[in-house]
Amino acid sequence: NAGVTQTPKFQVLKTGQSMTLQCAQDMNHEYMSWYRQDPGMGLRLIHYSVGAGITDQGEVPNGYNVSRSTTEDFPLRLLSAAPSQTSVYFCASTAMGGQYFGPGTRLTVT
Amino acid sequence: AQSVTQPDIHITVSEGASLELRCNYSYGATPYLFWYVQSPGQGLQLLLKYFSGDTLVQGIKGFEAEFKRSQSSFNLRKPSVHWSDAAEYFCAVGTSGGSYIPTFGRGTSLIVHP
Repeated sequence: NAGVTQTPKFQVLKTGQSMTLQCAQDMNHEYMSWYRQDPGMGLRLIHYSVGAGITDQGEVPNGYNVSRSTTEDFPLRLLSAAPSQTSVYFCASTAMGGQYFGPGTRLTVT
Repeated sequence: AQSVTQPDIHITVSEGASLELRCNYSYGATPYLFWYVQSPGQGLQLLLKYFSGDTLVQGIKGFEAEFKRSQSSFNLRKPSVHWSDAAEYFCAVGTSGGSYIPTFGRGTSLIVHP
């Protein structure tokens, strides 16, 4: 039982490049979400999903895209990276008892 | 929409001293409340949660929190802090009937002096 896994752990992109952050969970949770964490800002919700095929926007969705084709996977796509997207990204899988977080992806956009 | 305020950006305590981290929330109905801890370079770990019932909630690592509806607060406490408690602490509020995906506060950084 791995919980929530995220890849890669670190990534450096140039402005304008695109990439996908991977997230997978093996707990059969319906709810999954993506957050970004910036100093002094706490965690801000980017997108979330309440089940396969269903996604919705969070607080800061611009520049990001998600899809949920299976219960296990919830990838986050950066369409055209910008320096403002330099951040640490966390994926979480949610049960009613609380959220289970992945280890994070540290992204730098130059 | 719900919101969370953690008034203290940093808290410094001596090892062995007691600790209280403040959390205030804004939500019209009974909220779901959480405290998470994040050690440096790590993800977040759930410390404790309140859904209903007893307003004093026990968590892992010796932490507890008390829900006070009249004050819209959910403060985290520990009677004796250990150096390993140095971390970032986040309060979060979720809503009944919602998607169980909470809103987070900005966090309080706990510094522990030997």
